[in-house]
Amino acid sequence: GAVVSQHPSRVICKSGTSVKIECRSLDFQATTMFWYRQFPKQSLMLMATSNEGSKATYEQGVEKDKFLINHASLTLSTLTVTSAHPEDSSFYICSARRKGHEQFFGPGTRLTVL
Amino acid sequence: GQNIDQPTEMTATEGAIVQINCTYQTSGFNGLFWYQQHAGEAPTFLSYNVLDGLEEKGRFSSFLSRSKGYSYLLLKELQMKDSASYLCAPSLGNTDKLIFGTGTRLQVFP
Repeated sequence: GAVVSQHPSRVICKSGTSVKIECRSLDFQATTMFWYRQFPKQSLMLMATSNEGSKATYEQGVEKDKFLINHASLTLSTLTVTSAHPEDSSFYICSARRKGHEQFFGPGTRLTVL
Repeated sequence: GQNIDQPTEMTATEGAIVQINCTYQTSGFNGLFWYQQHAGEAPTFLSYNVLDGLEEKGRFSSFLSRSKGYSYLLLKELQMKDSASYLCAPSLGNTDKLIFGTGTRLQVFP
């Protein structure tokens, strides 16, 4: 199957700082990338849908000014958690989709905000 | 709104068969995915149903009834490594975004 990478895999930061998470499709061009958040023992919650070269579409209740998404190319999307607080601590997972195929998930980034 | 229901937890014995049910109420439905997720890891693809009926893939099969908003995942010849969460996810709209249910945590005992 296709490979999606995320970087970093783990990050610990102080409250108030910003954290950038990268998502790359390594062996295919992704028409769409998605960002999810998963709290312990809960399912994945879709945060936003990202298409290359256009603004991301955010799900209801997700603050677009706090979670900045940049989809610079067909193989790279970034999520920046701005002014992170302890309640933002979570497992962030991206996925990439090429048209006509299923979504391929990255390995996830565990964010801990102190 | 979108709503997906599946049991929170299930247990089964090694070698047995288990069926995990999922009902959904969504708009813009394209098809239904099942993913497996082990703790602390990303989901991995299991199956995708677009048309009504049963899709069989080795030990795993998935069924869809679009008119009833119902799907199930059938796992045969259970192995210990099948202990994981199983996520039901309708695919919606022209971007095929996935909306996940709560997931079903399956524990397989010897």
